[in-house]
Amino acid sequence: DAKTTQPPSMDCAEGRAANLPCNHSTISGNEYVYWYRQIHSQGPQYIIHGLKNNETNEMASLIITEDRKSSTLILPHATLRDTAVYYCIVRGSGNTGKLIFGQGTTLQVKP
Amino acid sequence: EPEVTQTPSHQVTQMGQEVILRCVPISNHLYFYWYRQILGQKVEFLVSFYNNEISEKSEIFDDQFSVERPDGSNFTLKIRSTKLEDSAMYFCASSSLTGGGTEAFFGQGTRLTVV
Repeated sequence: DAKTTQPPSMDCAEGRAANLPCNHSTISGNEYVYWYRQIHSQGPQYIIHGLKNNETNEMASLIITEDRKSSTLILPHATLRDTAVYYCIVRGSGNTGKLIFGQGTTLQVKP
Repeated sequence: EPEVTQTPSHQVTQMGQEVILRCVPISNHLYFYWYRQILGQKVEFLVSFYNNEISEKSEIFDDQFSVERPDGSNFTLKIRSTKLEDSAMYFCASSSLTGGGTEAFFGQGTRLTVV
């Protein structure tokens, strides 16, 4: 599974969009990009995933560049409850299903 | 909404004792996982389990650890003789499939404290 690179921390004003970047320059054609978050020490929470098309659900949008070497998770209207560590993970189809977590990005939403 | 449940939420045990951490995965899921997170560190994969056998394990998952699906609903992690360094949050996860396009859902974790 390809490695990912994320900034260690970001701030966002409450009510504004939070854009969290992720680089995965070694991603291969059958690997998906996943986003999870962890609020304090709770269990990681699934947010969204995608292969090459942009995806949107009730939580967030995922924008994947055309070359698939990077992606951005967008929380359209961040709230204080979105303060968490956000993990970008690449996982391939041949994988047993395990997720390899990095250090993630700590997003601080400020009033 | 279906969810993964873990019990107990907090377990304190003496060094050298055996502990069993319990998980009830989402009911139609077939793939089960354990992860751990030592305080202040990243989430680490321990083991994946499918069709009543381990499909993959990490180097952390040594002979002190074992997993079992004793019935149709529970999935357990046993630590045979706990060490101080086993103190961590342990998370169970499940998914309906493996493969690139399937999400895994996590429980809220069991905080294990070894004293």
